[in-house]
Amino acid sequence: EAGVAQSPRYKIIEKRQSVAFWCNPISGHATLYWYQQILGQGPKLLIQFQNNGVVDDSQLPKDRFSAERLKGVDSTLKIQPAKLEDSAVYLCASSLKPQKAFFGQGTRLTVV
Amino acid sequence: DAKTTQPPSMDCAEGRAANLPCNHSTISGNEYVYWYRQIHSQGPQYIIHGLKNNETNEMASLIITEDRKSSTLILPHATLRDTAVYYCTPDSNTGNQFYFGTGTSLTVIP
Repeated sequence: EAGVAQSPRYKIIEKRQSVAFWCNPISGHATLYWYQQILGQGPKLLIQFQNNGVVDDSQLPKDRFSAERLKGVDSTLKIQPAKLEDSAVYLCASSLKPQKAFFGQGTRLTVV
Repeated sequence: DAKTTQPPSMDCAEGRAANLPCNHSTISGNEYVYWYRQIHSQGPQYIIHGLKNNETNEMASLIITEDRKSSTLILPHATLRDTAVYYCTPDSNTGNQFYFGTGTSLTVIP
């Protein structure tokens, strides 16, 4: 069974630039999550989708972050404009509701 | 959502049992306790979950106290590959949202 795919694996951008991350969840998984993990901390939930609807985006900084899940499958997370404090690993996960989550390997973002 | 408390770090000798505690004293009656681990540079990996009863699978055992305010993850025969950060996270199994604290960094020593 294929796992959660994320791209790119690494990204370096300058502050105030924009960046986008892509996630392809496990086939058939209705629930998709984006997490932000700052070095030395546990993952922090940014947004949760159920199919193509948003379940929870209370911790998403909506002035600069946006996410969409077209057709309830793939998802993209965008940051515009990026700040230095956005440097982190961005993790995508998916699950069959209500079950355990499967995580991708993440995208490591460095903002300089 | 319930908050969790875990020791920041633990060591365990290879081949011995690793017992990782977690306090979740404000857990709700319908919240399951999930355990994940994160090996360096990888995404978190599901280990086990339970509600009231003790659980065992091929990776680990989960012991939940009767009052459900704490739990212990047991790795019966730790190997070097078990070196990772271990997170416990209560979840309602309906909201299906996982909130991670800082976890326990387990180091298995040869």
